[in-house]
Amino acid sequence: DQQVKQNSPSLSVQEGRISILNCDYTNSMFDYFLWYKKYPAEGPTFLISISSIKDKNEDGRFTVFLNKSAKHLSLHIVPSQPGDSAVYFCAASGDSSYKLIFGSGTRLLVRP
Amino acid sequence: SAVISQKPSRDICQRGTSLTIQCQVDSQVTMMFWYRQQPGQSLTLIATANQGSEATYESGFVIDKFPISRPNLTFSTLTVSNMSPEDSSIYLCSVLTGVGEQYFGPGTRLTVT
Repeated sequence: DQQVKQNSPSLSVQEGRISILNCDYTNSMFDYFLWYKKYPAEGPTFLISISSIKDKNEDGRFTVFLNKSAKHLSLHIVPSQPGDSAVYFCAASGDSSYKLIFGSGTRLLVRP
Repeated sequence: SAVISQKPSRDICQRGTSLTIQCQVDSQVTMMFWYRQQPGQSLTLIATANQGSEATYESGFVIDKFPISRPNLTFSTLTVSNMSPEDSSIYLCSVLTGVGEQYFGPGTRLTVT
């Protein structure tokens, strides 16, 4: 049973536009959520995180929104750049264990 | 953040052999983890490497297959034992920073023939 789901395997957006990547989770014990970007042949790069006590966190072009009642989070990238093209993973942890449960990833393509 | 290196970066191994992967961090960290990413799949936690004690394994992973050492707060090794083609994956170590984020090493790409 997948506890963290990314239902869109791929997303294509025009450079300069907004990219919205979505993630759903089922475990109500999760209290910390993270987004990672991964290029081929590299390890995941941490992008941004959010605690369950917040509903929004911003860092430059990246904003993460958390809707606890819907068990849904999203990553907004604006404006999107061709260098943002990568696979994006959301991950969750909870119950003070620090173990990360990852979604299946969404491949983002930003077209010049 | 933390700077993490892994050795080797990639290897091709024969069935039945073992490979030890090293993970080195540039600063002392409390928690280190080992993950696996099988082809076309997401990352799955193998175990938490505990300094000075036995690693804590996730369901589906056992010490005999994936022995882990953590001799100090900056270094850990993962051994993939008695390899089969199903072990072909990217193996990644990660460290937990004080603020709760995990940072990953570059990964070790293992191919078992």
